[in-house]
Amino acid sequence: EVQLLESGGGLVQPGGSLRLSCAGSGFTFSSHAMTWVRQAPGKGLEWVSAISGSGDSTYDADSVKGRFTISRDNSKNTLFLQMKSLRAEDTAVYYCAKFPCDNTACLGLAFDSWGQGTLVTVSS
Amino acid sequence: SYVLTQPPSVSVAPGQTATVTCGGTDIGSYSVHWYQQKPGQAPVLVVLDDTNRPSGIPERFSGSNSENTATLTISRVEAGDEADYYCQLWDSRSDHVVFGGGTKLTVL
Repeated sequence: EVQLLESGGGLVQPGGSLRLSCAGSGFTFSSHAMTWVRQAPGKGLEWVSAISGSGDSTYDADSVKGRFTISRDNSKNTLFLQMKSLRAEDTAVYYCAKFPCDNTACLGLAFDSWGQGTLVTVSS
Repeated sequence: SYVLTQPPSVSVAPGQTATVTCGGTDIGSYSVHWYQQKPGQAPVLVVLDDTNRPSGIPERFSGSNSENTATLTISRVEAGDEADYYCQLWDSRSDHVVFGGGTKLTVL
């Protein structure tokens, strides 16, 4: 059974940093591109970042470019999201999700599994 | 950047058919996916690649995509279908994932 478990959320002050993790199990982690999606309280889904299976290619939403960095450690089956210069508008539940495969063509495919999310609150 | 437009809400009586639209310029040339999200839960994929259902999703859920509108259709709506529904695609021009704003389906 595929499982994705996010961790690392919490309360952080504006301008602060936080690193989220997503541990994957039940599938060959390195063979799947991965992504982060967030949802502000009472709002819709917003894509954040994506990364290829090898980690060589990354893609970022304009709203987080230059502030957030997606990465992965395939030896530990873990996806990361390093967040810096956090703003109040970054407050959201952050979900990790997996693509069904690894290569560039997979980016057009649907996210076939999601984690349960971790809440990040940016507030003084 | 590419924009997907969904109606904020749709209401339907039990047993009737619900239609949720997702509008975008030439969206018919993209592969569109649909997710269902119930309160406090993670999204669940209900339709992929315009028309296909993942295993475990009832046949009552179907999709179509043509020209400037993609559509999620839920036949014989049940109370348990009440949720938010999101369309999504990959915009290869910008290398961005794009989500629609979401549609809240209310079962009357």
